[in-house]
Amino acid sequence: QQQVKQSPQSLIVQKGGISIINCAYENTAFDYFPWYQQFPGKGPALLIAIRPDVSEKKEGRFTISFNKSAKQFSLHIMDSQPGDSATYFCAASSGTYKYIFGTGTRLKVLA
Amino acid sequence: DGGITQSPKYLFRKEGQNVTLSCEQNLNHDAMYWYRQDPGQGLRLIYYSQIVNDFQKGDIAEGYSVSREKKESFPLTVTSAQKNPTAFYLCASSISQGPYGYTFGSGTRLTVV
Repeated sequence: QQQVKQSPQSLIVQKGGISIINCAYENTAFDYFPWYQQFPGKGPALLIAIRPDVSEKKEGRFTISFNKSAKQFSLHIMDSQPGDSATYFCAASSGTYKYIFGTGTRLKVLA
Repeated sequence: DGGITQSPKYLFRKEGQNVTLSCEQNLNHDAMYWYRQDPGQGLRLIYYSQIVNDFQKGDIAEGYSVSREKKESFPLTVTSAQKNPTAFYLCASSISQGPYGYTFGSGTRLTVV
């Protein structure tokens, strides 16, 4: 019940395409859903986050879509660029300090 | 610049040896965390601390120990009891109140030789 399931494990997208990464959760107490971007050999960096009272949040080319009834949320990267190639983690928390992370998606954007 | 500094970047441990990973932050964050990252397994919580002189075990605390004597520092010791310590270790910090995002350090890659 504490898991966050992330898919796909890896993703290859052409430059200019849309990258979509999905996450699903079981614990309805989760109330904060961030996405992190990690480049090789570096720590993850907060990319964008959403609370369950909204269905979508957009920041530049990055959009989170949130479906509370389905207990799913997804990251959309519009106009994907080679510089977006990284590993992406979704996460969830329930108002505590602790986050539950997904297993990560390795994105490669082809030039 | 505010941030989290982890050192060393690379660390090699011999069998039966304890090693300590350093984590220092100047963000004035109350909470600090240690995560272990293995390929295909995401980030797993080792220990976390909400205030000085207090810390709690995470999901995989066996074979690890921590201390929190100063707000800025949260060192992690990987003991000889940790049978599979080769991994990428990440330290993070956050504001204590409310579900805010973490700030991560750049990590320490530990390898057993």
